[in-house]
Amino acid sequence: GIQVEQSPPDLILQEGANSTLRCNFSDSVNNLQWFHQNPWGQLINLFYIPSGTKQNGRLSATTVATERYSLLYISSSQTTDSGVYFCATNNYGQNFVFGPGTRLSVLP
Amino acid sequence: ETGVTQSPTHLIKTRGQQVTLRCSSQSGHNTVSWYQQALGQGPQFIFQYYREEENGRGNFPPRFSGLQFPNYSSELNVNALELDDSALYLCASSLEGPTSEQFFGPGTRLTVL
Repeated sequence: GIQVEQSPPDLILQEGANSTLRCNFSDSVNNLQWFHQNPWGQLINLFYIPSGTKQNGRLSATTVATERYSLLYISSSQTTDSGVYFCATNNYGQNFVFGPGTRLSVLP
Repeated sequence: ETGVTQSPTHLIKTRGQQVTLRCSSQSGHNTVSWYQQALGQGPQFIFQYYREEENGRGNFPPRFSGLQFPNYSSELNVNALELDDSALYLCASSLEGPTSEQFFGPGTRLTVL
């Protein structure tokens, strides 16, 4: 099945800083999603982005499917951005696989 | 539009017991997937139901079983509970099949003593 890696595993930022989170995957994909997991465990959908670039406010994401990676950009970070960010992906006939996550802490 | 809901929120069981967790999919979605998330790890795929049929299974033993009903809601049953089954159980629904966007419920936190 597909292997998913995320980097960095942990990230500490001052409020207002920008960051880039990376997701590498081992095979071609038909679905790639980015999630933010809040302290209560809820997975919040950020982007459905099997290819291309999308933006939503301070967040944007780019997936380069031919090179098997996706990037999540967070600009002007806020304390409420803290939590764990997961990417997850699959292809037809394969299970949806999550990466190990990036734990983000934004300090005031 | 109602999102994905799960019940109960929290559950405490003892080793050897059986448990049933429930999930209501988002309106119009016909695909439901279940995941187990141990502390500090990413969610692990358990199985998926598409139009009431199992449509993929992860590396979980047969004591993990499920159902999807005609209204596309779903149950996850776990028999002979073990201590390692303590985890957050997440349900996700999607509009059509395994590669469409998945939307997650708030989860059920199961503790096995």
